[in-house]
Amino acid sequence: VVMTQSPLSLPVTLGQPASISCRSPQGLLHSDGITYLSWFHQRPGQSPRRLIYKVSNRDSGVPDRFSGSGSGTDFTLKISRVEAEDVGTYYCGQGTYWPYTFGLGTKLEIK
Amino acid sequence: EVQLVESGGGLVQPGGSLRLSCAASGLTFTRNAMSWVRQAPGKGLELVSSIYDSGETYYTDFVKGRFTISRDTSSNMLYLQMSSLRAEDTALYYCATGRGTFWGQGTLVTVSS
Repeated sequence: VVMTQSPLSLPVTLGQPASISCRSPQGLLHSDGITYLSWFHQRPGQSPRRLIYKVSNRDSGVPDRFSGSGSGTDFTLKISRVEAEDVGTYYCGQGTYWPYTFGLGTKLEIK
Repeated sequence: EVQLVESGGGLVQPGGSLRLSCAASGLTFTRNAMSWVRQAPGKGLELVSSIYDSGETYYTDFVKGRFTISRDTSSNMLYLQMSSLRAEDTALYYCATGRGTFWGQGTLVTVSS
């Protein structure tokens, strides 16, 4: 399942909102009724960290300025007000079909 | 607190072998699927192999027949035996739980003559 993210580059002014889109060629609703769509953040030189799981659930410690939404084949990660620590690359990932796959990544930078 | 610590990476010649290890703490292997995910220099994330809580194993096409995932539930260790290595296998290899809840810091594998 090839996950398509856009944009691939996202320059944002501090304090402004940001939005990243992720699309799947087929619906991500698993037979168990769960949509396994996650969002990950990777800072330069660090391991990926999961931010959002099952479309819209924030992981422990993730600020509430991050939110996930969507269903079926279209999903969105939104940052309500970008902070300096949010720079890095964001990946969407699907865990419905094996092999689990990731988008190419969206590089967020501060303008 | 879940911790994943990879080791075993290094420089190996094309056609060579390497065994990666991942020491896990804070979780029970028999209740968690585990995966190896790799990231080539400057590239994105790519799943390599997974082992489910049942012990069932899965491999992506580009490593099938060359890599073997295994685990030792008594010591909470995850392994990736890699053979017939190619230049395109050069990457940072991460150990991760199931669908990516937790990640290790990665171990670098470089395949070059």
